[in-house]
Amino acid sequence: QVQLVESGGGVVQPGRSLRLSCAASGFTFSSYAMYWVRQAPGKGLDCVAIISNDGSNNYYADSVKGRFTISRDNTNNTLSLQMSSLRAEDTAIYYCARDWAIAVAGNWQGTLDSWGQGTLVTVSS
Amino acid sequence: DIQMTQSPSSLSASVGDRVTITCQASQDIRKYLNWYQQKPGKAPKLLIYDASYLETGVSARFRGSGSGTDYSFTITSLQPEDFATYYCQQYDNLPYTFGQGTKLEIK
Repeated sequence: QVQLVESGGGVVQPGRSLRLSCAASGFTFSSYAMYWVRQAPGKGLDCVAIISNDGSNNYYADSVKGRFTISRDNTNNTLSLQMSSLRAEDTAIYYCARDWAIAVAGNWQGTLDSWGQGTLVTVSS
Repeated sequence: DIQMTQSPSSLSASVGDRVTITCQASQDIRKYLNWYQQKPGKAPKLLIYDASYLETGVSARFRGSGSGTDYSFTITSLQPEDFATYYCQQYDNLPYTFGQGTKLEIK
């Protein structure tokens, strides 16, 4: 079955960097677009980055544009999120998630059908 | 950005009750609307996609409907495992946006 396992979270000081990873298994990783979605403590869900199945197309929320970079390694079935210039407001659980549809022409459908368990990032001095 | 206004923000109900949550978009989202369930400490789970289609393996007591800007999600007979937080999400336009959530609690 589909399995997504995030890692790399922790406590980091404002202004520093952190790299999250998501190990995928149980499906053909290279056929699906992938997402990073975050949830601040006690708050709702916020889609921060999307990457197409082949890595040719991506999207960033305005709140992270220029600071976060989404990438993927289709050989090793891994999704990553490089986060730099971290701010207190980036504190959240970060989930990786899979797009519902097998990708067509480097796009994505917009439904998130499988999610990892999340990894907590705390930005604090 | 498309704003998703979900109501109520919290709801108390009893096992066996029928409950309905609504989600209003700030513009027509052409039924590009999903519903997710999230239990404490867990990841969200997809329940309904394209406004009214039940995800594989999800109980038929969950139902979705709506069009244009107005959508609803109904649980026809609440079970103990249904007490959770529910979110709507639009994917008509980037950024894909979620409602603020409805916390369903036991009365």
